[in-house]
Amino acid sequence: NAGVTQTPKFRILKIGQSMTLQCTQDMNHNYMYWYRQDPGMGLKLIYYSVGAGITDKGEVPNGYNVSRSTTEDFPLRLELAAPSQTSVYFCASSYERGRPSTDTQYFGPGTRLTVL
Amino acid sequence: DAKTTQPPSMDCAEGRAANLPCNHSTISGNEYVYWYRQIHSQGPQYIIHGLKNNETNEMASLIITEDRKSSTLILPHATLRDTAVYYCIVRPRGGAAGNMLTFGGGTRLMVKP
Repeated sequence: NAGVTQTPKFRILKIGQSMTLQCTQDMNHNYMYWYRQDPGMGLKLIYYSVGAGITDKGEVPNGYNVSRSTTEDFPLRLELAAPSQTSVYFCASSYERGRPSTDTQYFGPGTRLTVL
Repeated sequence: DAKTTQPPSMDCAEGRAANLPCNHSTISGNEYVYWYRQIHSQGPQYIIHGLKNNETNEMASLIITEDRKSSTLILPHATLRDTAVYYCIVRPRGGAAGNMLTFGGGTRLMVKP
């Protein structure tokens, strides 16, 4: 298993540009998550999904959109990039919630985004 | 989620046990204690979790006090590759609130030769 993969690894955007951060998992996990991590800080949840076709907002959803058309993929869309969105973005997945033996979150390597 | 308190940094000699404390005095009965770590520039990595009994796996041991107000993560033989930020997280077993992992400041563990 490749686990959770993310592309691209690095990206520089200009203010107002748009982009999609890709996330794919091959563990047949139901739950997927997007977090952002600002320098020296902990992770904050942006959006999450409990299955294909179902998404919900996390702690910091403004400026982002997500979709979940398949179990494997959970892309994160930035429509109008702003300097405040400069961060490292992590995607994660877990099998299910409610059972600690199966709701461990597995993280991808991250995408480092800079908005200038 | 209950708030956790961890020391901001710790040092450990290579080959020795690393004991990382966490205080979670407001933990409630249905909340589990999870430990993750983040090696520089990588995504967080799950280590171990527990409810009230001590737990051990191939990576570490978790000791939870009887009153569940604090816990200690033990890396029995720390190596240089264990240098990372270690996060203690308390989260409920189910419900929407449990979908989010709340990462605090963590403890920056430096393993030295």
